[in-house]
Amino acid sequence: ETGVTQSPTHLIKTRGQQVTLRCSSQSGHNTVSWYQQALGQGPQFIFQYYREEENGRGNFPPRFSGLQFPNYSSELNVNALELDDSALYLCASRPTSGGTDTQYFGPGTRLTVL
Amino acid sequence: SQQGEEDPQALSIQEGENATMNCSYKTSINNLQWYRQNSGRGLVHLILIRSNEREKHSGRLRVTLDTSKKSSSLLITASRAADTASYFCATDRRAAGNKLTFGGGTRVLVKP
Repeated sequence: ETGVTQSPTHLIKTRGQQVTLRCSSQSGHNTVSWYQQALGQGPQFIFQYYREEENGRGNFPPRFSGLQFPNYSSELNVNALELDDSALYLCASRPTSGGTDTQYFGPGTRLTVL
Repeated sequence: SQQGEEDPQALSIQEGENATMNCSYKTSINNLQWYRQNSGRGLVHLILIRSNEREKHSGRLRVTLDTSKKSSSLLITASRAADTASYFCATDRRAAGNKLTFGGGTRVLVKP
């Protein structure tokens, strides 16, 4: 049990639609990251938020965007969905104090784009 | 691009045997972490080893790190059927803002 939750568990969308995925972190975890994991591959870093501002981004287009809220929840938004966006989306949170670099992952949201 | 590459890609062993998987990476790191993933679900953190450490143990897990060879290994001793999962190494470079860069994973099957 990591204390990180994600919703929904599964989601089916059609090409061109928009989707919002949600993540709730542990209290005190001011850093949240989002990862995309295609079937059979390792997770790929999308972006990271710290205190409600994006402070790092992977090789993903601008149609991937995010928000982080003061209550330790965050969102990943994807516009103009493409078939290749079908993947497991994982959020991970990390406290920024306490000297730990361990990231705690949620169970993921499985997105299928038809 | 993926920083870490695991070897082998897949591993099949009998219960009670040891399982060893390796990870290689390309650039200097702050730390290296190993994660387990069951059936495409969330990642479970197993162990973190810092760049100034050479070996770490946690229960049946032993991790080594050789920064001169840019490689790490994960050993699971006395494997159990419940160890069946995919195992990923992930590198953390402070210069990259602590984002994790994952390899492609090793799929381990432990047969009862």
